[in-house]
Amino acid sequence: EDKVVQSPLSLVVHEGDTVTLNCSYEVTNFRSLLWYKQEKKAPTFLFMLTSSGIEKKSGRLSSILDKKELFSILNITATQTGDSAVYLCAARLATNAGKSTFGDGTTLTVKP
Amino acid sequence: KAGVTQTPRYLIKTRGQQVTLSCSPISGHRSVSWYQQTPGQGLQFLFEYFSETQRNKGNFPGRFSGRQFSNSRSEMNVSTLELGDSALYLCASSLEVGLAFTYEQYFGPGTRLTVT
Repeated sequence: EDKVVQSPLSLVVHEGDTVTLNCSYEVTNFRSLLWYKQEKKAPTFLFMLTSSGIEKKSGRLSSILDKKELFSILNITATQTGDSAVYLCAARLATNAGKSTFGDGTTLTVKP
Repeated sequence: KAGVTQTPRYLIKTRGQQVTLSCSPISGHRSVSWYQQTPGQGLQFLFEYFSETQRNKGNFPGRFSGRQFSNSRSEMNVSTLELGDSALYLCASSLEVGLAFTYEQYFGPGTRLTVT
């Protein structure tokens, strides 16, 4: 059965801290790994990773994928209260379906 | 470019009724996926449509069905509603070309269904 596991489940930090969120996956026919940020509404797309070792960066957020060890990390530097959200990762399959399996998410709380 | 739109945004139904939810993907996107999100189960995949064909289905009972129209708009139907069907139903569209599956998915705002 396809599985995506995120850790930690929740995290509380103070503004200015750097955080690392983890996502490991066990899926058949892996194609890509996606990260989303979800506040009190639908998930918003952050990154899609398909190749190992290539860091994707957007402002204070960055992510990298390790296809050998089957995991990805999402880094957030100089955290702000607006970064408080649930961060979801999903493994997308390469079968003729494109089904995405989501992890349970990491709830990040950034205190002022 | 307009994002993914879903209607209605909120819905209250009673047990035993049926409901139809609608999703309009981003212009040019041909793949539409549906998900159910609940506090206990997280995001669960329902099904995915591409060019009016269902390509894959998650582990949900046959009461959950869907379809896609030639303009890529999709509908999801749930018959004989149960209390446990209360959830946020999300659709996501992506720009798929054939079997590439390398394009990111963009989510709509969701339909919050409450079954009483």
